Amino acid sequence: EIVLTQSPGTLSLSPGERATLSCRASQSVSSNYVAWYQQKPGQAPRLLIYRASSRITGIPDRFSGSGSGTHFTLTISRLEPEDFAVYYCQHYDNSPPLTFGGGTKVEI
Amino acid sequence: QVHLQESGPGLVKPSETLSLTCTVSGGSISSFCLNWIRQPPEKGLEWIGYICDSGRTNYNPSLRSRVTISVDMSESQSSLKLRSVTAADTAVYYCAKWSVQEWAFDIWGQGTMVTASS
Repeated sequence: EIVLTQSPGTLSLSPGERATLSCRASQSVSSNYVAWYQQKPGQAPRLLIYRASSRITGIPDRFSGSGSGTHFTLTISRLEPEDFAVYYCQHYDNSPPLTFGGGTKVEI
Repeated sequence: QVHLQESGPGLVKPSETLSLTCTVSGGSISSFCLNWIRQPPEKGLEWIGYICDSGRTNYNPSLRSRVTISVDMSESQSSLKLRSVTAADTAVYYCAKWSVQEWAFDIWGQGTMVTASS
């Protein structure tokens, strides 16, 4: 089973700053199967990035994903007030389960 | 645009069976894999399992012995049953559509909170 470890657990930043969120896999994975989600309090997660670096239509270009192998990164270039949320990475494998990282909370 | 809506009891007694339904509208439930995911209070996301193609299922090994996911094509609904619940099964339960284009969950229901308590 592939384990995804996200760091840091909490990121305390101010609007306008850059956020860099890390997701490390316990073994090398295909970037085709790595996604990132945003979750705000009381809401379902929302897909932001798929295939490690492709943005979903409508997601602002301040969000970008990168990485390969065992290390993937979600970057928010300039934080807007609505970006303060919890972010999860996720990996798909042919063998169950689909796995999520533990999440990174981006707070003011 | 596909829309998903979870429904079911918000309270289940320990040792009993949790039963939830996900109703699909705006698209055909047979055209994608329907997943169930849960989130305990203040914790992260846990994949439960999926159903595809009118019946092909796959479950999280940690829950496999207690979980059944089924689909009713005529009602455009998926059902989740989780047997012998304990307090550890208290969570928000989501259904989500798997996209084979994005290899990710592109559409989620709003979620339903289930508490396992006597």
